[in-house]
Amino acid sequence: DAGVIQSPRHEVTEMGQEVTLRCKPISGHNSLFWYRQTMMRGLELLIYFNNNVPIDDSGMPEDRFSAKMPNASFSTLKIQPSEPRDSAVYFCASSLSRARPSFGSGTRLTVV
Amino acid sequence: KNEVEQSPQNLTAQEGEFITINCSYSVGISALHWLQQHPGGGIVSLFMLSSGKKKHGRLIATINIQEKHSSLHITASHPRDSAVYICAVYNTDKLIFGTGTRLQVFP
Repeated sequence: DAGVIQSPRHEVTEMGQEVTLRCKPISGHNSLFWYRQTMMRGLELLIYFNNNVPIDDSGMPEDRFSAKMPNASFSTLKIQPSEPRDSAVYFCASSLSRARPSFGSGTRLTVV
Repeated sequence: KNEVEQSPQNLTAQEGEFITINCSYSVGISALHWLQQHPGGGIVSLFMLSSGKKKHGRLIATINIQEKHSSLHITASHPRDSAVYICAVYNTDKLIFGTGTRLQVFP
């Protein structure tokens, strides 16, 4: 298995632009997580899905952030409009129920 | 006060030394993870445990549920062990992360 696949690896965008991050979980995994990592706050859970249904989005910073999981093999995290403080590394992870999660390589987002 | 606290925050060691990283938590958990993040940024899950001890190669993880404490030990440390080690606990299906311990092992 190729593992959790995230794209793009790096994204540089101007403030105000829409940003879409993509994630393909490991086939067969039923839980998908989006995390954000910054120097100041470390790793934070943004949202997680179970069987494609959002279970907890309390970590989503504000309405500018949205996440979807239209099917078991794809998820997106969208920021619209983006702001410089959104600059971070965004990780996607998947797991089978509460088993050990597998992490993607992350998307490094820079908003200028 | 963070729900998951790690110590130390930074750790340097000489190759071959025995290393211990500690994690304490204040919430109820169903499991605890130890993660490793290398300078390139990738995150790898090392252990998931809910009781007792697990061993994988030179790595040993222990947990004491009553004391709400876990330790990660590295025996015969090597420069390639240099990374950030993150403790995370499963609380109502969510992972809550510690701030990590940055380990540098010098030859």
